[in-house]
This record gives sequence, structure tokens and C-alpha cells, in this order.
Amino acid sequence: AQSVTQLDSHVSVSEGTPVLLRCNYSSSYSPSLFWYVQHPNKGLQLLLKYTSAATLVKGINGFEAEFKKSETSFHLTKPSAHMSDAAEYFCVVSARRSQSGTYKYIFGTGTRLKVLA
Amino acid sequence: NAGVTQTPKFQVLKTGQSMTLQCAQDMNHNSMYWYRQDPGMGLRLIYYSASEGTTDKGEVPNGYNVSRLNKREFSLRLESAAPSQTSVYFCASSGEETSLYFSGNTIYFGEGSWLTVV
Repeated sequence: AQSVTQLDSHVSVSEGTPVLLRCNYSSSYSPSLFWYVQHPNKGLQLLLKYTSAATLVKGINGFEAEFKKSETSFHLTKPSAHMSDAAEYFCVVSARRSQSGTYKYIFGTGTRLKVLA
Repeated sequence: NAGVTQTPKFQVLKTGQSMTLQCAQDMNHNSMYWYRQDPGMGLRLIYYSASEGTTDKGEVPNGYNVSRLNKREFSLRLESAAPSQTSVYFCASSGEETSLYFSGNTIYFGEGSWLTVV
């Protein structure tokens, strides 16, 4: 069975400092992993997704995530936080439903990022 | 690019009233979903549709009905609204992607519908 754990419910950083949002997953086979961002009163926007092309995945707005199979982690990072990064971030793993072959998505509980001026 | 469009954005209902949330996607995706998002509960799947003409229950289907009108449109109906259905509702869609480095489905979300039942 697949699962995803976001290790921090809240993270606060100062503007201009690095961001680290942690995600661990559990999957019985090669996972499909995603990070989404949700700004206040908005929908979830795709930040990046893991592909087998590289373990370090680059996304939008300067975000990156590194896939570490040995640690079953997919942590999200950004070298320098901006005020506009304040939002909630969701780590997601997807898996095929065995019966229908469709996909189901398992969402982490979210990490709220606060950026201090 | 429109992506996933859902209406209305905001709605206030009285207990017992009915309403339909509309959703359309222009990405030619086979699968569509309705989620609700509540504080402390995360995103919960209400119903999904794997393809035109099929619908299946998710985690929290009670009190809701859905219609997959065609490949583009997937509506969510509250027949008799209850205060417990006060929530933010998200429509989403996904389609099969196969490339050299990725095989799977990426899910794309609408902007959300804020529903209050009083």
C-alpha cells in the first residue's frame, strides 16, 4: 500500500534563507511522486513531479526535490525563500487501482510555509 | 490555458436546498475527480470518473451525486444540503502520460468552490 508523510505541519523561514519541506513515502513499487502548492483561496498547483530522468527534479518558481530511494524521501527545497512562497505545500504519491486500472492519489497532510520579512 | 474550470466560486445555501457544482476540463483527460477540503482533514475524494459514462464512489460519497455528462464535464450535486457539507470543493482531472521518463497520471485541479450551508 502507498502512503505519504509530511514531517512538518508548519515551517517558518526568513526571506532569503533556504526552504526545506520534508516528505517520506511508502510504495511497494516505483512511485509516482508530486509536490503541489496551494496559495490562500486557490486550487492546488503542480510544482514538480518525479520522473526517472533524474533524481533531482526541478520545478517552477525555483523549487527542487530530490528523490532518494534508499531513504524513501522526496524532500522539497528552495535556495532562497521569497514572500510569495508563503503557502501550503502537499506531497502526493499516486498509484494504480488494481481493479479499474485508474489512478488514486494519496495526499500528505500538508506543510504550511511561513516566510518572515 | 483554461485547464480545469469549476463554478460557482462561492455559494451560500440553506439547509435542505439543492445545488450543482459544475466542472469542465479542456485537456482531453479521461479521469475526473471531486474532492472536498476541510481544515485538519486534508483532501478527501468524494467521487471519481475513470472515463465518460462511468462513476465510482470515493472516501466520502454520502450526500452527493455526480454526473459525467461527457468527456469534458463532471458535475457534483448536493440533493439536500447539510451544514456538514460546508467545505471547499475541488474538481480535478488526470490523463495517461507516457514518456521515456514518466509513466503515470498527473492530476490537475480547478480553483475551488467555497460552499457554506447555513
